[in-house]
Amino acid sequence: EAQVTQNPRYLITVTGKKLTVTCSQNMNHEYMSWYRQDPGLGLRQIYYSMNVEVTDKGDVPEGYKVSRKEKRNFPLILESPSPNQTSLYFCASSFSPSDEQFFGPGTRLTVL
Amino acid sequence: AQSVAQPEDQVNVAEGNPLTVKCTYSVSGNPYLFWYVQYPNRGLQFLLKYITGDNLVKGSYGFEAEFNKSQTSFHLKKPSALVSDSALYFCAVRGSARQLTFGSGTQLTVLP
Repeated sequence: EAQVTQNPRYLITVTGKKLTVTCSQNMNHEYMSWYRQDPGLGLRQIYYSMNVEVTDKGDVPEGYKVSRKEKRNFPLILESPSPNQTSLYFCASSFSPSDEQFFGPGTRLTVL
Repeated sequence: AQSVAQPEDQVNVAEGNPLTVKCTYSVSGNPYLFWYVQYPNRGLQFLLKYITGDNLVKGSYGFEAEFNKSQTSFHLKKPSALVSDSALYFCAVRGSARQLTFGSGTQLTVLP
């Protein structure tokens, strides 16, 4: 089944404790993105990647890191999480930014 | 910088009536426009997209959208609303950049 998977689905952590949210797709997509969804703000793109080893900042990259060492994986790293990063995070993939994006199920992160 | 505006946070419509969810955009270059839907506690699903060609685009679940270049709008429409259409709808745009920008979302409620 074609899908985007994210782990964990739910995470409660404390300020400053490094964490990684994994994202994997099995559709051989080149374009991958991370978004955060906040009430009243919609989805905001954090980072995107056009291909392996090619990443770029979206609208809200501060406090986040990403890597793209393999085509299928695009982990999101919060090296020192803060409460303002409490949000619902989505990973998505597509063949290109002009194509339909396939979204993962979301990761609800709470930073205390 | 590119942007998307969804001027209505909430749209209510009676079942069987036509519905419209509004979207306007601002980009450099030719726009690539998308609509996505988010059902409660679910990820986002693609509805339709406009890249070029006919200004009226047909998509999933009976939805369509009309591209208007002079008004920089891409409104989502459906001739006859169903209660099951109740969800959060997002408009998104890509211009000459590789970034995708989403609107803040419109909550559609279809009343029985």
